[in-house]
Amino acid sequence: DAGVIQSPRHEVTEMGQEVTLRCKPISGHNSLFWYRQTMMRGLELLIYFNNNVPIDDSGMPEDRFSAKMPNASFSTLKIQPSEPRDSAVYFCASRQRTGGRETQYFGPGTRLLVL
Amino acid sequence: QKEVEQDPGPLSVPEGAIVSLNCTYSNSAFQYFMWYRQYSRKGPELLMYTYSSGNKEDGRFTAQVDKSSKYISLFIRDSQPSDSATYLCAMSGTGNQFYFGTGTSLTVIP
Repeated sequence: DAGVIQSPRHEVTEMGQEVTLRCKPISGHNSLFWYRQTMMRGLELLIYFNNNVPIDDSGMPEDRFSAKMPNASFSTLKIQPSEPRDSAVYFCASRQRTGGRETQYFGPGTRLLVL
Repeated sequence: QKEVEQDPGPLSVPEGAIVSLNCTYSNSAFQYFMWYRQYSRKGPELLMYTYSSGNKEDGRFTAQVDKSSKYISLFIRDSQPSDSATYLCAMSGTGNQFYFGTGTSLTVIP
C-alpha cells in the first residue's frame, strides 16, 4: 500500500487566496483526520470523519476552514480566504480499526506558507 | 489542564545511551497508548502501540504504561544517531479522537 497520500507537498500563496489541500487515505481505513502542526501549538486536530461523515469539527479554527469527504478515498481541506497565521504543516491521517488495534497513519504533510 | 503533557526537551545524549521519554495524562478513560516518531520535515510514523497497562518491547524500544499513575514511557536502548527525531506520545479512549503530546526533540550525538 502506498500509505496516506497528500497533495500538494508544498504550497505558497498570498493572503486572501483560496487554498485546497487534498488527501487520499489508506484503502480500507474508515476514519480520516486532518491535523495542523506548528512549533508553538504542536499537533492540533482540526476535524475527523467516520465513514465519510464529519464527526467532530470543533478544532476547525473558524469559518474560513472547511473540509469534505465525498467518498472513502478522497478528502479536501479548504481555506478561504487564507491568512498568514494559517501557515503551518497540515497532515492527513487515516485509521485502522481491526481486532481492537487502534492506530493512525499519517501522510507526509502539506507545508503551507501564506504571505 | 491539557489532556496530555510531554516535556518538549530538547534532549541530547551520546550514542549508546539509554533514552527515557515520558508523558502524563489526565483522562482515566484512555486505553490506547502510542508513540510516534517524526523526522524533520516528515509526517509522524507509528513506533509503538500498547493497549491498557503493561510493557511492550520491540527491538531496542520498550513502551511502558502505568494507568494507576497516568504515566507512559518510551525507552530506547543503545541509542543511535538515526534515532534523532521528535517523539510524540498519543492516546485515545473508546472514542475516535486521539490526543497528542507536543513532542520531545531528541538528538543522539555520534
